[in-house]
Amino acid sequence: ELKVEQNPLFLSMQEGKNYTIYCNYSTTSDRLYWYRQDPGKSLESLFVLLSNGAVKQEGRLMASLDTKARLSTLHITAAVHDLSATYFCAVDSNTGNQFYFGTGTSLTVIP
Amino acid sequence: DVKVTQSSRYLVKRTGEKVFLECVQDMDHENMFWCRQDPGLGLRLIYFSYDVKMKEKGDIPEGYSVSREKKERFSLILESASTNQTSMYLCASSGGGLGVNYGYTFGSGTRLTVV
Repeated sequence: ELKVEQNPLFLSMQEGKNYTIYCNYSTTSDRLYWYRQDPGKSLESLFVLLSNGAVKQEGRLMASLDTKARLSTLHITAAVHDLSATYFCAVDSNTGNQFYFGTGTSLTVIP
Repeated sequence: DVKVTQSSRYLVKRTGEKVFLECVQDMDHENMFWCRQDPGLGLRLIYFSYDVKMKEKGDIPEGYSVSREKKERFSLILESASTNQTSMYLCASSGGGLGVNYGYTFGSGTRLTVV
C-alpha cells in the first residue's frame, strides 16, 4: 500500500517568513497533487505535478516534484495571513485506480 | 471551470436507513471517486470509478456501494447507515481515464450525521 507522509503536521509561522512543507511517498508514482482546505470547506486544487523535476508557482506558493527521491515540496515565500489553511499532498498509483492523501499540514500564519 | 456538484450539503439520517449521496460533474470526466474525511484519520478513499459501470474499491469500501450508470453521475450508497459512517463525504472528478489523471476537482462536500 502506498503511504504518503507530510511534515510538519502543524506549522505556525510569522507573516513575512519563508517555510517549506514536505511530502514523502512510498512507491513509484509520477503524479503528485497539492490541495488547500479551509475550515469547513472542501479541497481546492493548487498544483498538479506530472513529471520528475516539475516546478509550479502561484503567488507565494511554489511546488516541486522529485520522483526519484519520492519527494515533493511546497515552499511558502513571505507568508501572509490569507495562507492559513490545511495543505494536503496526494499521489495516485501508476495504474491510476487508487488515490492516496497525505496527512495534511495545518498552517497558521500569525501577524 | 469544472463543476462537481454534491446533492446535499448537510444530511441527517437514522441508523439502518439506506442513504444515497449523489455527485454530478459537468466536464465529461472519466475518473470519479468518493472519499471521507474524519478528524485524526485524514482523507480516505472509499470507491473509485474510471468509466461508466467501472468501479474499484478504495481503502475503506465496507458498508458502501457505488453506482455509475452515466458518465456524469457517481452515487455513493450506504446500504444500512451506521453511526460510524457519520463523516464529511467528498466527491471528486478528473479527466484522463484509467492510468491517466489531470488533477481532481472536488465537490463542496456532504456532512452526513447518522443518529
